[in-house]
Amino acid sequence: DQQVKQNSPSLSVQEGRISILNCDYTNSMFDYFLWYKKYPAEGPTFLISISSIKDKNEDGRFTVFLNKSAKHLSLHIVPSQPGDSAVYFCAARVQGGSEKLVFGKGTKLTVNP
Amino acid sequence: GAGVSQSPRYKVAKRGQDVALRCDPISGHVSLFWYQQALGQGPEFLTYFQNEAQLDKSGLPSDRFFAERPEGSVSTLKIQRTQQEDSAVYLCASSAIRGISTDTQYFGPGTRLTVL
Repeated sequence: DQQVKQNSPSLSVQEGRISILNCDYTNSMFDYFLWYKKYPAEGPTFLISISSIKDKNEDGRFTVFLNKSAKHLSLHIVPSQPGDSAVYFCAARVQGGSEKLVFGKGTKLTVNP
Repeated sequence: GAGVSQSPRYKVAKRGQDVALRCDPISGHVSLFWYQQALGQGPEFLTYFQNEAQLDKSGLPSDRFFAERPEGSVSTLKIQRTQQEDSAVYLCASSAIRGISTDTQYFGPGTRLTVL
């Protein structure tokens, strides 16, 4: 069973507009969430994270929102740039467990010039 | 200041062969992780080391998979008698865990294994 779900395999956005990537999770023991970006033939690169005690974390053009009651988080990219085109993975970590990450299947973002 | 490195970057093996994949973590990083990423999927956890101790190997899919980190630095993931379903990208990550669960995991570029 998929504990972390990214239901949109792909998203296409115009340059300068907002990109919103969504992620749902089922395990209430997750206490830390991360977003990674992945270009072809490279490993995932850490983007931004959020602890379960917060509902928002912002870093430049990237903001992550967490809605614990809905078990939902989203990544907002404003403004979107062509260089943001990549696959974005949502990941989560279990409180007090091994440090392993549980990943979603990813969303491929394409930002069109 | 180098990141996580992995070798080889690409490996083709005939079914039944043994393979060994190497990971060099970021210098000084205590924790090391191996993940398997099949085509179109997200990375899936295989195993986790803190220094030389393998603290979690719950993700290893079978006893054909074996990982070691004998000196607490470089790690090797070994797959014996490879099968076609082992074809995937194998990712290594390291983090500077000091008992802080929010330490970021930094990933290497991965080794793409193709079993024919």
